[in-house]
Amino acid sequence: KQEVTQIPAALSVPEGENLVLNCSFTDSAIYNLQWFRQDPGKGLTSLLLIQSSQREQTSGRLNASLDKSSGRSTLYIAASQPGDSATYLCAVGSGGATNKLIFGTGTLLAVQP
Amino acid sequence: GAVVSQHPSRVICKSGTSVKIECRSLDFQATTMFWYRQFPKQSLMLMATSNEGSKATYEQGVEKDKFLINHASLTLSTLTVTSAHPEDSSFYICSAQRGGVNEKLFFGSGTQLSVL
Repeated sequence: KQEVTQIPAALSVPEGENLVLNCSFTDSAIYNLQWFRQDPGKGLTSLLLIQSSQREQTSGRLNASLDKSSGRSTLYIAASQPGDSATYLCAVGSGGATNKLIFGTGTLLAVQP
Repeated sequence: GAVVSQHPSRVICKSGTSVKIECRSLDFQATTMFWYRQFPKQSLMLMATSNEGSKATYEQGVEKDKFLINHASLTLSTLTVTSAHPEDSSFYICSAQRGGVNEKLFFGSGTQLSVL
């Protein structure tokens, strides 16, 4: 059974700092991996999608890497801003007809102005 | 980007009543939609996969007679919580898949259900 864990559970950093969020999964047979952002009481916004054959994806100040063999992914946020404060979730896709997602436990990020 | 609308955003109901939550893909057709449940400070748990024109596929431990899912069109899926009880109080979120499994999922804004 796939289990997805995120470390740390919570993180507080001053504005401008670069930071790394970690995601690990127990079964390396994944189809893809996504990083999401969730604001309090809201739905999810997809940030980056990495296919299993890819090593990384970049969007603006965000860079996500994937090491499937070791069961790890990282989300790098450069020059953090207070507006980045949110919960960040990673999710692994199992593939198949519907590619069900298994979500991690999330990292609550607070960027202090 | 693609938009998924979820309604209502918040509902309070009495124990024993039924509540219907709608999930609409506004600018694309979604053959597959997903329903998740999220408890406070916890991650999302997949409840069921909703397929247009066919029965939903429920995850283990999810009561299909309690959580009725209907996906009658390519743009609308509904989740009905029947005979709601306080333990059903939770945040429910839907997502819709545009295109194939290589595409990103688009999420609704969620529904906070409180059962008194």
